[in-house]
Amino acid sequence: GEDVEQSLFLSVREGDSSVINCTYTDSSSTYLYWYKQEPGAGLQLLTYIFSNMDMKQDQRLTVLLNKKDKHLSLRIADTQTGDSAIYFCAERAGNNRKLIWGLGTSLAVNP
Amino acid sequence: DTEVTQTPKHLVMGMTNKKSLKCEQHMGHRAMYWYKQKAKKPPELMFVYSYEKLSINESVPSRFSPECPNSSLLNLHLHALQPEDSALYLCASSQVAATGGSYEQYFGPGTRLTVT
Repeated sequence: GEDVEQSLFLSVREGDSSVINCTYTDSSSTYLYWYKQEPGAGLQLLTYIFSNMDMKQDQRLTVLLNKKDKHLSLRIADTQTGDSAIYFCAERAGNNRKLIWGLGTSLAVNP
Repeated sequence: DTEVTQTPKHLVMGMTNKKSLKCEQHMGHRAMYWYKQKAKKPPELMFVYSYEKLSINESVPSRFSPECPNSSLLNLHLHALQPEDSALYLCASSQVAATGGSYEQYFGPGTRLTVT
């Protein structure tokens, strides 16, 4: 069945780059999304990528997609303490309104 | 403007109470969603409305009753809840799915519900 996997924890030093990884199983995925959730807050859409793209860059964020390996990554350059949060990867297959979510990666940024 | 608003921010209710959660968006989105989220877990889809009609019910117990009075508003009516229903309830909206779109979902800040 459909599944999205993420590593649960990542710890980086302030100023370093963070790379959060995600793998998915559904080969019919059309869009893949990254959401950020700070403690006590809702989910903030960070970025998304269409499945026929390899890379998307938006300021400090770079998304890489390897469709052959069904691997998605989110790179955050110059990570700041304000980037500490849980990052969820989600995929959507076709025109399905239901997203398949990863369990989330908790990013800790140390000063 | 990509804002979805939700009220109240916090809600404490007893198991015999009736209460409602409210959600509003003004992005012209015609799909609206209710999710339930437990701490440090991904959100779980509960309901989807498309063009103000219920299109997905993820086998949610009848003590949760959704309502979409117009294209901007979404309510979740709560009655006879159980302590295990305590969670963060998130509303989201998106364009309606059609061929070729990204249909990204925009979330509100959530209502933190505690059932005593």
